[in-house]
Amino acid sequence: GNSVTQMEGPVTLSEEAFLTINCTYTATGYPSLFWYVQYPGEGLQLLLKATKADDKGSNKGFEATYRKETTSFHLEKGSVQVSESAVYFCALSERSDSWGKLQFGAGTQVVVTP
Amino acid sequence: DADVTQTPRNRITKTGKRIMLECSQTKGHDRMYWYRQDPGLGLRLIYYSFDVKDINKGEISDGYSVSRQAQAKFSLSLESAIPNQTALYFCATSVTGAPETQYFGPGTRLLVL
Repeated sequence: GNSVTQMEGPVTLSEEAFLTINCTYTATGYPSLFWYVQYPGEGLQLLLKATKADDKGSNKGFEATYRKETTSFHLEKGSVQVSESAVYFCALSERSDSWGKLQFGAGTQVVVTP
Repeated sequence: DADVTQTPRNRITKTGKRIMLECSQTKGHDRMYWYRQDPGLGLRLIYYSFDVKDINKGEISDGYSVSRQAQAKFSLSLESAIPNQTALYFCATSVTGAPETQYFGPGTRLLVL
């Protein structure tokens, strides 16, 4: 079956530091890949996505590249802010009868200190 | 006003009680989902509905039931609550054309004693 594995948190870093969150996946077909973010006390919201190999998703300074050869979709940001402290979820979706069903990773908490 | 609302936001109940969590949306989306979130496990899909007459079980539907009363309303029921159903529950919506772009409500925190 499909699965998503993320690096464990919490990840603690200083403001303006470089952020990387590792995500690898297992899928039987050719999934679309996503990063969702959950700010404290809120529901998840889509941060970025990529639908095929070598695509780069980007939004709000965050980037992730779909790497089929390493089955990875690592999230990066060059300079994080305190307001970006949140839990980040990697997810995949396969185009099949379960269209639209998202398989989430466990989430990685990121804490950015001033 | 929020596009996806959930009521209640917090609930404490006792083992064996029946409870209902409600979700409403003003986005006009046809698809709706219920997830539960547990620490270290991410989100797991309980039920999903592609339209009012199309309801499907997710990966962890045992102990839960749902009702899609209208396109805008999707309720989750715990027929007889048990302590391991203590979790954070999220409702989400999406459109058929972009089903993986899901819009989440703020969540309901449920404690079963």
